[in-house]
Amino acid sequence: AQSVTQLGSHVSVSEGALVLLRCNYSSSVPPYLFWYVQYPNQGLQLLLKYTSAATLVKGINGFEAEFKKSETSFHLTKPSAHMSDAAEYFCAVSEGRTGNQFYFGTGTSLTVIP
Amino acid sequence: KAGVTQTPRYLIKTRGQQVTLSCSPISGHRSVSWYQQTPGQGLQFLFEYFSETQRNKGNFPGRFSGRQFSNSRSEMNVSTLELGDSALYLCASSLTGTALNEKLFFGSGTQLSVL
Repeated sequence: AQSVTQLGSHVSVSEGALVLLRCNYSSSVPPYLFWYVQYPNQGLQLLLKYTSAATLVKGINGFEAEFKKSETSFHLTKPSAHMSDAAEYFCAVSEGRTGNQFYFGTGTSLTVIP
Repeated sequence: KAGVTQTPRYLIKTRGQQVTLSCSPISGHRSVSWYQQTPGQGLQFLFEYFSETQRNKGNFPGRFSGRQFSNSRSEMNVSTLELGDSALYLCASSLTGTALNEKLFFGSGTQLSVL
C-alpha cells in the first residue's frame, strides 16, 4: 500500500513570501500524485496532479509542484503567498487495479500573516 | 452542472445509534468514494462504489457500510456509533474511477458529532 507523509501540520508565512509545503510518498511503482486544497467550510478542490508527463506541474492559483523520483517527493510551492491562500492542503497518491483508491496525507494548514 | 451534494450538512447522534449519510454525485459520474476526515488523521479512505458494486474498501470496521443505487447516488451507514466516529465525512465522485490520474470532485461533507 502507498503512504503519504506531509511534513509540518502547520505552516505560517508572511504575505508575499515563498510557500513551501512538503510531501513525501512511498511507492514501488510510478505514482500518480495530487495536491488538493480545502478552504474553510468547503470541500476539497484539485490544485494540480502529476501523471508522468512532466516533472514540474503547474496548477491553479499560481501553485506548482515538482516530482523528484530520487527523493520520492512532490513538494508544493508558490512564489508569493496571498491572504486567500490560507487553507488546508492535502497531498495524495492514487492506486488501484480495479478502481481508484486514494491515500491522503494528514494535511498541512497554511496561515498567511499580513 | 451541479456539484457533489451531501446531506445532511450536520448530524448529532448519541453513542449506540446508527446514522445514514447521503451523497449525490455529479451527473454522469459513476464512481463514488467516501472518506473520513479527522484532525491529525487527515482523510482516510472508507470505500468506493461503481455501478452499485463496492470495488475497494479501506481499513474500517464492519460497522461502516455503504451502497450505491442505479442512479449512482450513494449512502453510507454507520451502526452502533462510537465517540471516535465523530468526524467530517466526505464523498467524492469521478467519471469512471478507473483512471489513476482521474480527478476527484468532493462534496462539502457531513459533520457528524457523536455524544
